[in-house]
Amino acid sequence: AQSVSQHNHHVILSEAASLELGCNYSYGGTVNLFWYVQYPGQHLQLLLKYFSGDPLVKGIKGFEAEFIKSKFSFNLRKPSVQWSDTAEYFCAVNLPNTGGFKTIFGAGTRLFVKA
Amino acid sequence: DTGVSQNPRHKITKRGQNVTFRCDPISEHNRLYWYRQTLGQGPEFLTYFQNEAQLEKSRLLSDRFSAERPKGSFSTLEIQRTEQGDSAMYLCASSLDRDSNYGYTFGSGTRLTVV
Repeated sequence: AQSVSQHNHHVILSEAASLELGCNYSYGGTVNLFWYVQYPGQHLQLLLKYFSGDPLVKGIKGFEAEFIKSKFSFNLRKPSVQWSDTAEYFCAVNLPNTGGFKTIFGAGTRLFVKA
Repeated sequence: DTGVSQNPRHKITKRGQNVTFRCDPISEHNRLYWYRQTLGQGPEFLTYFQNEAQLEKSRLLSDRFSAERPKGSFSTLEIQRTEQGDSAMYLCASSLDRDSNYGYTFGSGTRLTVV
């Protein structure tokens, strides 16, 4: 069965520190990859997505992610975090050949940024 | 367009009671998804509609659960004879056919507590 693994459940950083959140998936075929973010008290929002082309994807608020096919990874990065980045981050994979009806999510990483 | 709307936001019910949740997707979105999220986990796929047709159901969706989308617009999720293990956040998401591989728009969810 397909699965998504996020390596860290909780991350605490100080403002201006660099961020990297790990994500690995288990599926050998074509995938679309996503990072969703959930700010405190808000709904899940799409942060960035990869479906083809340049494996380095840039999203909103200075986030980027790199798809490394050989490692089945899609790590999220930000060079300098802000207090407002405090949120829960979910990596997700969608199988396009199935018509996009099911997206599988990782367990999430809670990021707390100290001001 | 006010996004995906879910009602109620919170529901507390006694074990054994039936509950029904409603989801109003973005009006032009023909795909609608239900997910469940428990504490410390990412969203888990429950079921999916394309217009009024329910095309896929997860094995997580026991026979106590039923979902409908009668006119291809809003959807309801009913849980009969609730159990404490049903306590979770129930999320609804929607998308357009052509965009389904590119990410969903989520609602704020309905938090169910079974006491």
